[in-house]
Amino acid sequence: GAVVSQHPSWVICKSGTSVKIECRSLDFQATTMFWYRQFPKQSLMLMATSNEGSKATYEQGVEKDKFLINHASLTLSTLTVTSAHPEDSSFYICSARDTGTAYNEQFFGPGTRLTVL
Amino acid sequence: GEDVEQSLFLSVREGDSSVINCTYTDSSSTYLYWYKQEPGAGLQLLTYIFSNMDMKQDQRLTVLLNKKDKHLSLRIADTQTGDSAIYFCADRSDNTDKLIFGTGTRLQVFP
Repeated sequence: GAVVSQHPSWVICKSGTSVKIECRSLDFQATTMFWYRQFPKQSLMLMATSNEGSKATYEQGVEKDKFLINHASLTLSTLTVTSAHPEDSSFYICSARDTGTAYNEQFFGPGTRLTVL
Repeated sequence: GEDVEQSLFLSVREGDSSVINCTYTDSSSTYLYWYKQEPGAGLQLLTYIFSNMDMKQDQRLTVLLNKKDKHLSLRIADTQTGDSAIYFCADRSDNTDKLIFGTGTRLQVFP
């Protein structure tokens, strides 16, 4: 299947700093990518849908100024957590939709664990 | 909004079958998926079923769908210790590419 990578795998930062997470589709082009957040022992919650060349669509309750999404190319979307605070600590997972599959399957990245001190 | 529910835990003996259940509320569901997540890792797609199907079998995996009751199950035959993980069902609506995930079922396989 298609491969999606995320970088970094984990990051520790101080409160008030900004952190950028990258999501790349390695062997296919993705006009649409998705960003999820997962708290410990909980399910994935969709944060936003990232569309190449246009603004991201955020889910209700997700602050767009807090979580900046940029999808500047067909293989890369970035999520920047601005002015991070301890409550932003979480596991962030991206997925990329491969329109070349029969059912537009989403392939998931391995996740990025963010810890804000 | 739409909701997807699963039982939280399942413990089985190695070699036995595991059955993980899922219920959903979406009336316009098109595809339903099962994903596996190992500790600290992303999600691996195991299988999926189209909403007009009742059953799908893929090697050790059998998916049953009762659309009337909005109930989905995943049966793993001859469960192995390597099957220990969290299993998520997910619903994809006809109107969107969004996936709504269930709460996840932690499967523990003991010798």
